[in-house]
Amino acid sequence: SQKIEQNSEALNIQEGKTATLTCNYTNYSPAYLQWYRQDPGRGPVFLLLIRENEKEKRKERLKVTFDTTLKQSLFHITASQPADSATYLCALGGNNYGQNFVFGPGTRLSVLP
Amino acid sequence: DADVTQTPRNRITKTGKRIMLECSQTKGHDRMYWYRQDPGLGLRLIYYSFDVKDINKGEISDGYSVSRQAQAKFSLSLESAIPNQTALYFCATSDPHQPQHFGDGTRLSIL
Repeated sequence: SQKIEQNSEALNIQEGKTATLTCNYTNYSPAYLQWYRQDPGRGPVFLLLIRENEKEKRKERLKVTFDTTLKQSLFHITASQPADSATYLCALGGNNYGQNFVFGPGTRLSVLP
Repeated sequence: DADVTQTPRNRITKTGKRIMLECSQTKGHDRMYWYRQDPGLGLRLIYYSFDVKDINKGEISDGYSVSRQAQAKFSLSLESAIPNQTALYFCATSDPHQPQHFGDGTRLSIL
């Protein structure tokens, strides 16, 4: 069955450092991968989408890489701030009708002042 | 106003009761989804609908049913609630192969 793992349940880093979150998957051939941010008591909010033929995407302090050979995506937040503290979810999607959108369990990031 | 609205936001009920969670959207998206979220398990898909006449089971549909009343409305029912259905429930919408837009969830507790 399809499986998505995110590197750790929780990650603590110091303010100003780069946070790196990992998403690994098996038994799936995604056409695209997305990253979402979720704050307590709120629904996930979309951050970035990267397609299978793209290696890297950037948006402000965020960078996503996608390696379909390794079946892995890395999500980086540079110059991290306490306001970046949240849970980050990766999600895979396919082009086939029956290939559901699948979410990983999430990594809870805490940026310490 | 929120683009994706879920009602109620919180609900406490008893085992065996029938529960309906409602979702409405102003995004104009054809695709709508229901997920449940449990600690450590992430978001799991219950049902999804690609248009008004299309309903599909997701990963964990047993014990749930849905109704797509209109493009903008998608409701989730628990016919006879049981305690292990206690969870946070999210509705989402999207265009095909585009990011999903989520409501703020319904926290459901079944005693």
